Amino acid sequence: KAGVTQTPRYLIKTRGQQVTLSCSPISGHRSVSWYQQTPGQGLQFLFEYFSETQRNKGNFPGRFSGRQFSNSRSEMNVSTLELGDSALYLCASSLAGQGAQNIQYFGAGTRLSVL
Amino acid sequence: QKEVEQNSGPLSVPEGAIASLNCTYSDRGSQSFFWYRQYSGKSPELIMFIYSNGDKEDGRFTAQLNKASQYVSLLIRDSQPSDSATYLCALKGAGDMRFGAGTRLTVKP
Repeated sequence: KAGVTQTPRYLIKTRGQQVTLSCSPISGHRSVSWYQQTPGQGLQFLFEYFSETQRNKGNFPGRFSGRQFSNSRSEMNVSTLELGDSALYLCASSLAGQGAQNIQYFGAGTRLSVL
Repeated sequence: QKEVEQNSGPLSVPEGAIASLNCTYSDRGSQSFFWYRQYSGKSPELIMFIYSNGDKEDGRFTAQLNKASQYVSLLIRDSQPSDSATYLCALKGAGDMRFGAGTRLTVKP
């Protein structure tokens, strides 16, 4: 079974640009969560999608948005990039049920550098 | 108070020793608890999952959960240099998954 796939692995953008990151979950997983990881802040929750609906949202500005498609693939968009958006963006998928079904499996991440 | 608190470390133990990692949390509604290991430059990978009070063992790893005291711990027996990584405590209740900042563990040969 293929794991969680994130593309691209690396991105370099300049301030003010926008970026779209993609995540393909494990087959059968309907929940996709996005996280931002920086050395100073650790793993920060962005949002969770389940069956094409945003189920939970973290404390990030509206420049960060996402969506989920009917095949459970998800995209995350960041508009008007700022230097502080430089981070590793991780996607995780799960079955999103009870107990062990909440185990999240992470992709390799997309490392975004904003110059 | 942070929702999930971990000692950031670094925690250093000699090879073969027991490494003890601790995590406290504030949300009494938390139902499931997870320990992830993250090597430098890599994504987190699940080590242990626990949801009942008490101990759960898997090989060299033991997770301990005490809901009354709101803490969860991870013991690594016979620590190896390959265990050197950052260990993330995570929990889930009705809302999203919450992660601690992680404890960096170094196992010295």
